[in-house]
Amino acid sequence: GAGVSQSPSNKVTEKGKDVELRCDPISGHTALYWYRQSLGQGLEFLIYFQGNSAPDKSGLPSDRFSAERTGGSVSTLTIQRTQQEDSAVYLCASSPTTVGTEQYFGPGTRLTVT
Amino acid sequence: EDQVTQSPEALRLQEGESSSLNCSYTVSGLRGLFWYRQDPGKGPEFLFTLYSAGEEKEKERLKATLTKKESFLHITAPKPEDSATYLCAVQTSNAGNNRKLIWGLGTSLAVNP
Repeated sequence: GAGVSQSPSNKVTEKGKDVELRCDPISGHTALYWYRQSLGQGLEFLIYFQGNSAPDKSGLPSDRFSAERTGGSVSTLTIQRTQQEDSAVYLCASSPTTVGTEQYFGPGTRLTVT
Repeated sequence: EDQVTQSPEALRLQEGESSSLNCSYTVSGLRGLFWYRQDPGKGPEFLFTLYSAGEEKEKERLKATLTKKESFLHITAPKPEDSATYLCAVQTSNAGNNRKLIWGLGTSLAVNP
């Protein structure tokens, strides 16, 4: 079956612009996670969704970051007024539930802010 | 504070030279421990889930084991295609809605032909 997909695969944007990153999870997976991975760094948790609700937004770095999920499926991570420090790979993962089950990752979106 | 530490940071092996990667964790309660493989430019690929001390899982040249304090990923007779970064993550059984995983920084494995 189809895995997790993310688009775009690469995004170059100018400082101050807004960007939207999209994630299509595996069909039927109720949980969806967003992570950020900077070069040589570990995975940084941003937010997770259970269905369409986000019980844990604790990882969002600032109020410039927001995310939504509609129909229990597609999710969009929006970064407003991008800064150079936002440059990283943004990874999305989904899992059948949130408890004790593995997460399946997409290929990521590489964001470069110039 | 819940924490996951992986060692070594980097490991270089000759093809066929078996070794082990370590993931030690300090958490208030373990719900599950996960191993992933990540190739450059790709998302992490799920390998194993371990739930309780004494549990073992195998896949091809890889075997993961779990104790109450750490997990090992044993690589038997590795091949160059096993070269990747291996990540460990833990989900705790803390109360509340905190379902996120706690990730280690990974071990970068290089297997020379």
